[in-house]
Amino acid sequence: KAGVTQTPRYLIKTRGQQVTLSCSPISGHRSVSWYQQTPGQGLQFLFEYFSETQRNKGNFPGRFSGRQFSNSRSEMNVSTLELGDSALYLCASSLRETSEQFFGPGTRLTVL
Amino acid sequence: GIQVEQSPPDLILQEGANSTLRCNFSDSVNNLQWFHQNPWGQLINLFYIPSGTKQNGRLSATTVATERYSLLYISSSQTTDSGVYFCAVPPPSNYQLIWGAGTKLIIKP
Repeated sequence: KAGVTQTPRYLIKTRGQQVTLSCSPISGHRSVSWYQQTPGQGLQFLFEYFSETQRNKGNFPGRFSGRQFSNSRSEMNVSTLELGDSALYLCASSLRETSEQFFGPGTRLTVL
Repeated sequence: GIQVEQSPPDLILQEGANSTLRCNFSDSVNNLQWFHQNPWGQLINLFYIPSGTKQNGRLSATTVATERYSLLYISSSQTTDSGVYFCAVPPPSNYQLIWGAGTKLIIKP
């Protein structure tokens, strides 16, 4: 069974631009979560989707948004990029909200 | 909200040594996960262990939910065990994981 996939793996953007990251969950998994990892803040929860509905959102500004499609694939978007948005963005999928989460390889975003 | 603390923050060992990593959490949880993050950033699932003890090769984990801690044991360490080990727990009725700060493990040959 294929694991969680994320595209692209690496991105370089400049301040003010916007970016879209994609996540394809493990087949059959309906819950997708996004996390940001930075050296200073560690792993921080962004949001979680289940059956195309955002059920929970972390403490991030409105520039961070996401969505989930009917096939459970998810995208997250960051608008008006700031230098502090440079981070590793990790996506996880699980069968249900309380079950084990499995992570993709991440997208490493650098904002110049 | 729930707090997760891991200790020690750093650990340097010689190849072949054994180690114990600890994860304390401040509230009741329904499950707990241990991960190993490799140098490329990939989070690898080690254990999904709400309570009790599990073993997988040289690794084992024990969670004592009533006392709000979990331990990860690594025996006969190899250089490939190097990386950061995280524990993470979900708060009640909340669809996310709360993470500890991690233990950075360096295994020297």
